[in-house]
Amino acid sequence: DGGITQSPKYLFRKEGQNVTLSCEQNLNHDAMYWYRQDPGQGLRLIYYSQIVNDFQKGDIAEGYSVSREKKESFPLTVTSAQKNPTAFYLCASSITGLAEYNEQFFGPGTRLTVL
Amino acid sequence: AQRVTQPEKLLSVFKGAPVELKCNYSYSGSPELFWYVQYSRQRLQLLLRHISRESIKGFTADLNKGETSFHLKKPFAQEEDSAMYYCALSGRRAGGTSYGKLTFGQGTILTVHP
Repeated sequence: DGGITQSPKYLFRKEGQNVTLSCEQNLNHDAMYWYRQDPGQGLRLIYYSQIVNDFQKGDIAEGYSVSREKKESFPLTVTSAQKNPTAFYLCASSITGLAEYNEQFFGPGTRLTVL
Repeated sequence: AQRVTQPEKLLSVFKGAPVELKCNYSYSGSPELFWYVQYSRQRLQLLLRHISRESIKGFTADLNKGETSFHLKKPFAQEEDSAMYYCALSGRRAGGTSYGKLTFGQGTILTVHP
């Protein structure tokens, strides 16, 4: 199924390297989000963007960076400053506006492993 | 600060038994509560939201502001209900719009045995 895609599905990184995870959506959604999923900790918000060229830090932004140059794309860079980057990363998008329509649509995820 | 707590990491029931997944929240403003579900090898998806007051796949959830709870219930569990369930919270602005970003609980893995 399309809508929101993430690539790659699996990613391996050596310590000290930066890596970029891709997230693309064709749902014409204004808002996009990055979460990190760890066993027993649920989903934690890394960064989010409610409009092109604007983004805000989430709860665990340290060691990560994002950009939002296009409405369709919200790439996440995991930098060498991130102390424990091995995790499952989920991207999501939503329309903004009325609370009744606030539903986030999730991508399939990227599993990042630091070797 | 907003917080969502799901006290049970694992929950096992037999087919046909009632099931209740607990969710408690902490939020000073007007909350929006959601339940998201992730079935095996599928994407995380919305199950239901409190504002719609709907029943989806036999599941219901009532927002109890006094107890700050949003427990998910189903009277007769089915094997296909086995999945990871997340409770999530967002804020609602005075004008009716949403803050958008969600705070998730730790998740509960539900297993329904035949």
